[in-house]
Amino acid sequence: EAGVAQSPRYKIIEKRQSVAFWCNPISGHATLYWYQQILGQGPKLLIQFQNNGVVDDSQLPKDRFSAERLKGVDSTLKIQPAKLEDSAVYLCASSLILGGVAYEQYFGPGTRLTVT
Amino acid sequence: QQQVKQSPQSLIVQKGGISIINCAYENTAFDYFPWYQQFPGKGPALLIAIRPDVSEKKEGRFTISFNKSAKQFSLHIMDSQPGDSATYFCAASIVGGKLIFGQGTELSVKP
Repeated sequence: EAGVAQSPRYKIIEKRQSVAFWCNPISGHATLYWYQQILGQGPKLLIQFQNNGVVDDSQLPKDRFSAERLKGVDSTLKIQPAKLEDSAVYLCASSLILGGVAYEQYFGPGTRLTVT
Repeated sequence: QQQVKQSPQSLIVQKGGISIINCAYENTAFDYFPWYQQFPGKGPALLIAIRPDVSEKKEGRFTISFNKSAKQFSLHIMDSQPGDSATYFCAASIVGGKLIFGQGTELSVKP
């Protein structure tokens, strides 16, 4: 079974530029998560989707971050404009739902973003 | 109340020794407690998880001990190996919801 795929793996941009990250979850996983992991810290949830609906985006900086999950499969996370403090690894995770309950979250390799 | 506090921040263990990492939480609504292992340049990988209806879960060399009354849980790695050298994160959630991660423990197992 293929894991969670993410691209690109690395991205370097200047502040005030825009950037987009792509995630393809494990086949059949209805729930998709985007986490931000700053160096030396644990991941922090940015947004959670169930199918193509948003479940939790309470910690997403909506003035600059946006995310979508069209057709309930792939997802894109965008930052516009980027700030220096956005330098981090952006992790995508997915989980299966059975009987209305979401189970273990499986993470992709992440995209390392450097804002200069 | 949403925090998960993890200690120690770093840990050095000799090969064959026992590695112990501790976590504490405040939100009594949490009902799912996983541990993740992360190697440099990789995403976190699920190692082992426990729900609060049991006090211990063992999978191979990895054991979670859970103390519901103290709101604490820990990871024990028996017979630690150099290949176990990685960063370990505890986490907590309400099942199906977002994971709240601890700050991480960098484990180094010396040969």
